[in-house]
Amino acid sequence: EVQVVESGGGLVKPGGSLRLSCAASGFIVNNAWMSWVRQAPGKGLEWVGRIKSKTDGGTTDYAAPVKGRFTISTDDSKNTVYLQMKSLRTADTAVYYCTTMSETARGVWGQGTLVTVSS
Amino acid sequence: DIQMTQSPSTLSASVGDRVTISCRASPSLSSWLAWYQQKPGKAPKLLIYKASTLESGVPSRFSGSGSGTEFTLTISSLQPDDFATYYCQHYNTYSWTFGQGTKVEVK
Repeated sequence: EVQVVESGGGLVKPGGSLRLSCAASGFIVNNAWMSWVRQAPGKGLEWVGRIKSKTDGGTTDYAAPVKGRFTISTDDSKNTVYLQMKSLRTADTAVYYCTTMSETARGVWGQGTLVTVSS
Repeated sequence: DIQMTQSPSTLSASVGDRVTISCRASPSLSSWLAWYQQKPGKAPKLLIYKASTLESGVPSRFSGSGSGTEFTLTISSLQPDDFATYYCQHYNTYSWTFGQGTKVEVK
């Protein structure tokens, strides 16, 4: 079964850092273009960023609000995607999901992990 | 950047109704358009990709159409399980953009 499980969320103060994990099973993350999407409380979906598959260069792209503060990476040995977040702001408060539109696991979403940025 | 505009933002309907949700893209985005259903407290569920391809396991009452700048999600006969929020999504090699969502509520 293809699935992803996000973890690592929690309460952090403005200016702080946090690393989210997305553990995949049933497919190889390095063969997929993996994205992070977030949803602020009561709001819509917002794309955060994406890492391409290793065969397509493994490069990353980010949405303007997080560029320079967030970094996406993968760990082959753990089949896991990470979202490193720094200089967090209250506007970053959201449920964070990892997902992909790559054919190997198209449409897979985890349950999400909640990040709350508050003093 | 691609802008996605969904309409309406809220739609009141009854079981058995035919429901249509629109999504307008600017500029044109070919057929790289997906539709999702989301219920409160749950992750989005992929319904349609490439504008009109039904995801495996999704009931056939859902259909998608359009290309370029105008796209439509149609539910042919609304069922009780279909009351939810629906999002369109543009996806390409550079970025993704979501519409603001359409809430389908009980009339």
